[in-house]
Amino acid sequence: AQSVTQPDIHITVSEGASLELRCNYSYGATPYLFWYVQSPGQGLQLLLKYFSGDTLVQGIKGFEAEFKRSQSSFNLRKPSVHWSDAAEYFCAVVGDTNAGKSTFGDGTTLTVKP
Amino acid sequence: NAGVTQTPKFQVLKTGQSMTLQCAQDMNHEYMSWYRQDPGMGLRLIHYSVGAGITDQGEVPNGYNVSRSTTEDFPLRLLSAAPSQTSVYFCASGGVVRSPLHFGNGTRLTVT
Repeated sequence: AQSVTQPDIHITVSEGASLELRCNYSYGATPYLFWYVQSPGQGLQLLLKYFSGDTLVQGIKGFEAEFKRSQSSFNLRKPSVHWSDAAEYFCAVVGDTNAGKSTFGDGTTLTVKP
Repeated sequence: NAGVTQTPKFQVLKTGQSMTLQCAQDMNHEYMSWYRQDPGMGLRLIHYSVGAGITDQGEVPNGYNVSRSTTEDFPLRLLSAAPSQTSVYFCASGGVVRSPLHFGNGTRLTVT
């Protein structure tokens, strides 16, 4: 069975500071990994995805994530956070043997201090 | 481009009532799914479909029914609403298996 753990429920950073959101996954084979962002009252929007190849992937809004197979991690990073980045962030994994069902982590809420 | 459209945005039901949450997508996606979102619990898969006429259960299917008669539509039916079904419901679609999901803006359901 596939699963995702986001260890941090809530993170607060100052505007302009760097950000790292943690994601650990469990899946036996090569996973497809995603990060989504949810603004209040909205649906989820894709930030970036990892399928194969280069382990450092770039996404929208200046975000990037690094896939580390040895650590079963897919952490999301941003060098300089903007106030508009305040939102909830979800990591998701999709296996290759379960009809493409996505499994989501519980989410990390990001607060940005001025 | 409308993407994934969910109606209604808000709904209040009494225990025992039934209703249908509507979901439509205009991207010709084969894969559609329903999730519920509860505080601190992320998104949990209720039902999904890999094409018209094909549906299957997800993680939390009890109390919900789905059907997929067309590629565009994937309604979710609550048979007899219970307070435990108070949640925010999201419909999502994807082009192919394992592709990123496109989400609707959600339906906030309260059951009293």
